[in-house]
Amino acid sequence: GAGVSQSPSNKVTEKGKDVELRCDPISGHTALYWYRQSLGQGLEFLIYFQGNSAPDKSGLPSDRFSAERTGGSVSTLTIQRTQQEDSAVYLCASSSMGSNQPQHFGDGTRLSIL
Amino acid sequence: GESVGLHLPTLSVQEGDNSIINCAYSNSASDYFIWYKQESGKGPQFIIDIRSNMDKRQGQRVTVLLNKTVKHLSLQIAATQPGDSAVYFCAENRVTESGGGADGLTFGKGTHLIIQP
Repeated sequence: GAGVSQSPSNKVTEKGKDVELRCDPISGHTALYWYRQSLGQGLEFLIYFQGNSAPDKSGLPSDRFSAERTGGSVSTLTIQRTQQEDSAVYLCASSSMGSNQPQHFGDGTRLSIL
Repeated sequence: GESVGLHLPTLSVQEGDNSIINCAYSNSASDYFIWYKQESGKGPQFIIDIRSNMDKRQGQRVTVLLNKTVKHLSLQIAATQPGDSAVYFCAENRVTESGGGADGLTFGKGTHLIIQP
């Protein structure tokens, strides 16, 4: 498709389980970002990739969160041993190379931890 | 804490009127600002951006104004339509503690724009 694609759109899991969220960026976009949005709140930056490398991991809330990107395209965000406070919408965005380029978002994965 | 904030959580306007959504930022080192529109159940949609070397930029029915002196950003929507109902977020580029640039955006909490018929 032409836009950023995220899957699954919804995920319900039990506390303590691991989850993996996927992001397929816009073709040709070298920069990829993950954000988290809690109910009624703004977006919280998690991690940024330029190509396959992640020069900025400062936003990851704990060591239970990790992300990778292979082939300069698809990225996965993994949350291990999920907690109820991890419940949120996880949004992915991509942008073309160069600083200060508009980021284009997918529709997110709504994660609910029971 | 977040360095970008909004003055009003909800803004109600009559259809056809102009809307003005305000945003204050605290980091004077930020040099890139962007407005997003988010409808329920969807991701943020890019509206318009502006760099710090400009004070005004116009798009289709939208204008962004940047006042660096008072660190204020606004989004003006002309002739507001029902389809403009959404939450609007301003965002600025992240700046590291050392003042260096960092990719990724810092978002405000959003303003819910409601269009009255």
